[in-house]
Amino acid sequence: KAGVTQTPRYLIKTRGQQVTLSCSPISGHRSVSWYQQTPGQGLQFLFEYFSETQRNKGNFPGRFSGRQFSNSRSEMNVSTLELGDSALYLCASSLQGTGSNEQFFGPGTRLTVL
Amino acid sequence: AQSVTQLGSHVSVSEGALVLLRCNYSSSVPPYLFWYVQYPNQGLQLLLKYTSAATLVKGINGFEAEFKKSETSFHLTKPSAHMSDAAEYFCAVSDHRDAGNMLTFGGGTRLMVKP
Repeated sequence: KAGVTQTPRYLIKTRGQQVTLSCSPISGHRSVSWYQQTPGQGLQFLFEYFSETQRNKGNFPGRFSGRQFSNSRSEMNVSTLELGDSALYLCASSLQGTGSNEQFFGPGTRLTVL
Repeated sequence: AQSVTQLGSHVSVSEGALVLLRCNYSSSVPPYLFWYVQYPNQGLQLLLKYTSAATLVKGINGFEAEFKKSETSFHLTKPSAHMSDAAEYFCAVSDHRDAGNMLTFGGGTRLMVKP
């Protein structure tokens, strides 16, 4: 079974631009979560989607948004990029939407904002 | 709000020595607890999880962790370190009262294994 895939793997943008990252979960998984990883703040939860609905949201500004499609694929969008948005963005999928489920992580998209 | 503390951002052991990575959590109810490992330029891989069954949890690659409610701890151990264990390890908590998946991670511990 294929794992979680994220595209693109690397991205370079300039301040003020916007970016869209994509995540394809493991087949059959309905929950997709997004995390931001930076050296200073560590791993922080962005949001979770389940059956096309945002169910949980972390403490990030409104510039960060996401959506989930009917095939469970998910995208996250960051508008008006800031230097501090440079990070590794990780997507994780799980079969159901309960907290005990294992989340399977993709390799991440490394975003660099210049 | 939940929080996770990993004592020691860097731990160095010799090959064959005991590995002990510390994790303490704060939660008003016993949560679900996880240990993940991250190798360079990769995502996170689950080592083991505690979901209120046995307090001693065995995971992959010879790792295990013990849930101690009285100490609010979930330390990760491995009897004998291998060079391939060098990586960053993250402890995480999920509050099962909430619907859905939302992990709160500790700051991570980078494990170095000396030959």
